[in-house]
Order: sequence, then C-alpha cells, then structure tokens
Amino acid sequence: SQQGEEDPQALSIQEGENATMNCSYKTSINNLQWYRQNSGRGLVHLILIRSNEREKHSGRLRVTLDTSKKSSSLLITASRAADTASYFCATVNSGNTPLVFGKGTRLSVIA
Amino acid sequence: GAGVSQSPRYKVAKRGQDVALRCDPISGHVSLFWYQQALGQGPEFLTYFQNEAQLDKSGLPSDRFFAERPEGSVSTLKIQRTQQEDSAVYLCASSLRRGSYEQYFGPGTRLTVT
Repeated sequence: SQQGEEDPQALSIQEGENATMNCSYKTSINNLQWYRQNSGRGLVHLILIRSNEREKHSGRLRVTLDTSKKSSSLLITASRAADTASYFCATVNSGNTPLVFGKGTRLSVIA
Repeated sequence: GAGVSQSPRYKVAKRGQDVALRCDPISGHVSLFWYQQALGQGPEFLTYFQNEAQLDKSGLPSDRFFAERPEGSVSTLKIQRTQQEDSAVYLCASSLRRGSYEQYFGPGTRLTVT
C-alpha cells in the first residue's frame, strides 16, 4: 500500500516558471524524502527533511513540511526542460522501516 | 564512482518460468532494499537487508518471491512460477547506513511475463 499522495498527478509548465508539488501522508513519520525519476531510469534522491524541520533548501529546490497537516511541498524554481521527470515523495515511519512512496507527480517543462 | 547496478535490465519470461534478478549495491553500503514498481505507480517495498540479514520481507507478495544476500553485498531476487501480475520494474536500492535514509537506486529490471 502507498502512504503518500502527490498532487497534482501531472503538471505542465513553461521553462523558467516555478513548479509546486504537494504530498500528503497518513501516519507519523521520522523523515520525508523527495525523489526524481526520469523515464525508464532509477530514482534519484533529491532532499530529505526530518520531522522536526519545517523547511529545507537545496539549490533550486525548496521543501516544506507541516506535520500537523501531514503534508509536504516541493518547489522547483526557475524550471528547466531537464527537470521533466516524475517526482515522488517517500516517508519513513521510524529509523529502520522502508520508504513508503506516493504515486508521483509527472512534471513536464516545455522549452 | 560506481553506482547501484542491476541485471538484466530487461527480462521477458513465459508464465510459469522462474527468474532471478541481480543487484550489485554500492560497495560498503550496509542496507539493501528491493522495490516493485508497476506502470504509472510509485515503487512499493518488497524486502530489506542489513548486511546479510533479511530484516523485513513483509512486502513480498507471495511465497513465490524469495530474496537473498548471502555475503552482505550482491543480492538476488528470485521469482518462481512467474505470473502475468508479476510484470513490473524491480528496483534495488542501497544505503550507507542502517535504515531508510538516503537511498541510491539502480536502473531497475523491467520484467515482462507473457
């Protein structure tokens, strides 16, 4: 079963625009991670945010976490065509449990 | 450096055949995970190793699925008597530390059962 639900399922934007993807989850977590998957490839880890953190930045990525609402958002600023991919949030309930992925958001950045 | 590798990248099996999928994790990584990803879905957890110990196999869908990591490095996922519903991409990931922190994924094996 999948815990996370990403929203929207698909997003199409112009190059240079910002892209925002949301993730909701059901149970308490130790941390939440975002991954990117290009078509036909494996997943690439983007960023990890711990349950006691509210916001984190990495380059053009900004992640927020609201544990009271059990939700997270991923913002990609100044998008590029190379950002076209599927983006997944994944939660970890405790230190030794596996990642639980959502169904992902398919982002298309049009040049 | 070398990342996680998986072989074969593509496998076509006739229903009822047995298959073996191999994962070579990043050298020195303690944790190894297997996931199954159906088309258009997120990966779903199958099983987890810490070194050679299989700590969690709760995600294996049936007793036809078996995984091993005998020396704490290379892992093999075996599926016996394959069924059409086994068609999916099988992803392997490794992590330097114990538990689910940053995971490094291989390219996956796309299994098609005809």
